[in-house]
Amino acid sequence: GESVGLHLPTLSVQEGDNSIINCAYSNSASDYFIWYKQESGKGPQFIIDIRSNMDKRQGQRVTVLLNKTVKHLSLQIAATQPGDSAVYFCAENIGAGNMLTFGGGTRLMVKP
Amino acid sequence: KAGVTQTPRYLIKTRGQQVTLSCSPISGHRSVSWYQQTPGQGLQFLFEYFSETQRNKGNFPGRFSGRQFSNSRSEMNVSTLELGDSALYLCASSMGQGNTEAFFGQGTRLTVV
Repeated sequence: GESVGLHLPTLSVQEGDNSIINCAYSNSASDYFIWYKQESGKGPQFIIDIRSNMDKRQGQRVTVLLNKTVKHLSLQIAATQPGDSAVYFCAENIGAGNMLTFGGGTRLMVKP
Repeated sequence: KAGVTQTPRYLIKTRGQQVTLSCSPISGHRSVSWYQQTPGQGLQFLFEYFSETQRNKGNFPGRFSGRQFSNSRSEMNVSTLELGDSALYLCASSMGQGNTEAFFGQGTRLTVV
């Protein structure tokens, strides 16, 4: 995911529904991926990660899917709650070191 | 366990000045990375330090520099500030060897006037 500019895609869901946030990453050599949640005025908060030797990983109410063939990552949030409202970023890393490349972000809005 | 601590939280500087930001990583973490976040460019990697050595560097001018101390605390410095340097500067801490969870601080909001 190349960082992109002003336009932030928005996903609006009803409380209790499932949310799916998508991300296209840029480098086929990337071998580690992280999803972050960022609330207004705060730093990004780690949600879940996945390595390139996996295609699915589950956490508490969240699932990350990785499709290396099309360089696509998705974050699924089950039973979305108002507290899930935030901007979500995917990030990719290659090899040694911690040099994350971030996508542009998606704003999730949860309607009560 | 304390999280990543960044100081100060807010800063206002004048064009041409320099600024130093500080980051204390999570205890036991040896890698510290710095990122710049702006509405126009999103989150962009500045540099990473591991065991007091710069391990990776992003595509920023030489006015942006950093260092890491033996206790893993890190500082970044921006010299000759420009209006475009106004941003949220974020620090992330990791255990160290790469491809491990990176945890962010709250950031330092820098405004250049």
